[in-house]
Amino acid sequence: AQKITQTQPGMFVQEKEAVTLDCTYDTSDPSYGLFWYKQPSSGEMIFLIYQGSYDQQNATEGRYSLNFQKARKSANLVISASQLGDSAMYFCAMRESRGSTLGRLYFGRGTQLTVWP
Amino acid sequence: GAGVSQSPSNKVTEKGKDVELRCDPISGHTALYWYRQSLGQGLEFLIYFQGNSAPDKSGLPSDRFSAERTGGSVSTLTIQRTQQEDSAVYLCASSLAISGTSGGSSDIQYFGAGTRLSVL
Repeated sequence: AQKITQTQPGMFVQEKEAVTLDCTYDTSDPSYGLFWYKQPSSGEMIFLIYQGSYDQQNATEGRYSLNFQKARKSANLVISASQLGDSAMYFCAMRESRGSTLGRLYFGRGTQLTVWP
Repeated sequence: GAGVSQSPSNKVTEKGKDVELRCDPISGHTALYWYRQSLGQGLEFLIYFQGNSAPDKSGLPSDRFSAERTGGSVSTLTIQRTQQEDSAVYLCASSLAISGTSGGSSDIQYFGAGTRLSVL
């Protein structure tokens, strides 16, 4: 089974509008971390936001917030006031905390976001 | 300070040749990771290091792939007898630590710009 599912291959949003990128995850580990990364056309993976499984509040970083719904195993990224520079591929990732695989990130397939003027 | 540095940024090689890819992590980061990104397979974990030891090598696709880390810093990923299916972007990341719980900001992996490998 896929650890991370991103169901939106592509999303379009107008500049200054908000957009939500979906992510669901699958784990039986009670302790895990969820991450979002941005990958512009230049190729570098840029860390955006982190949410721990025990965090009581949704994470926020500037215009980015993570809508964490633990019971639904959902970790959607919300970008407020989109900018043209937000156009990029966005990846959701998870790290589990047990066993020999605790170091690795599991990535989704990504969502290509296009912001138009 | 400086971010994760990878070299070379691009590498073109002939099938059957060996290649070495280098990663210099963020100073003070004890954990280092290698991933591969290709169109067909997405982002795949290869190996990670805690200090100089590699607790998880299970992502290496074959015994042609190996990696080492010396002095708790620089790491080299070596691909022997390259094949065309090895063509991909190889990404390196580092983090302050690896915790046994969802340890917060220390777990965040910061990536380099990658090495684009093309095997002809």
